[in-house]
Amino acid sequence: GENVEQHPSTLSVQEGDSAVIKCTYSDSASNYFPWYKQELGKGPQLIIDIRSNVGEKKDQRIAVTLNKTAKHFSLHITETQPEDSAVYFCAASIRGGSNDYKLSFGAGTTVTVRA
Amino acid sequence: DVKVTQSSRYLVKRTGEKVFLECVQDMDHENMFWYRQDPGLGLRLIYFSYDVKMKEKGDIPEGYSVSREKKERFSLILESASTNQTSMYLCASSFVGRASREQFFGPGTRLTVL
Repeated sequence: GENVEQHPSTLSVQEGDSAVIKCTYSDSASNYFPWYKQELGKGPQLIIDIRSNVGEKKDQRIAVTLNKTAKHFSLHITETQPEDSAVYFCAASIRGGSNDYKLSFGAGTTVTVRA
Repeated sequence: DVKVTQSSRYLVKRTGEKVFLECVQDMDHENMFWYRQDPGLGLRLIYFSYDVKMKEKGDIPEGYSVSREKKERFSLILESASTNQTSMYLCASSFVGRASREQFFGPGTRLTVL
């Protein structure tokens, strides 16, 4: 199956600075890469996703980049704010049949934004 | 708003007990999932259901079974709970055949097996 590795496991940034989280995947058949944010006491929530036919996607202060050749993708958060403090998970989905709907998650990154 | 609800936020059970975790979604999603979340391991898929009475094993199905008798409800069953099943359990749901593959998660059930 797909193996997704995520780094770093913890990240502390000063408010207003940028945060970058990196993930690698193992299966070249993966074609969908979402990022989920989990706030304390809640379930994960999708914040942005990217498909394999796109190299970069941006949504306000959040951007995701994908390098298919190297099999890695990254989440970039600019101008961090206290409400960005959370656990972030990357994930990957392999193309084909029911695999389209199954996600393999990274281990998570705990982001702390210091005021 | 999509809503996925889980029957309990916290649950304490004893070794050997049969445990039922219930999940209900109100968005008519075809897919439903059960994950367990452990520190340093992320979310790992236990079972997946793409239709009523249909199920597929995930990455860690050992010690678990599932039931889906109605489209909106997906149950996770621990036949004989063990201490290594102490974890956070998350239910999720999603559509089939849509442009979006977004999974919607419930708030989780923290299960402690003593």
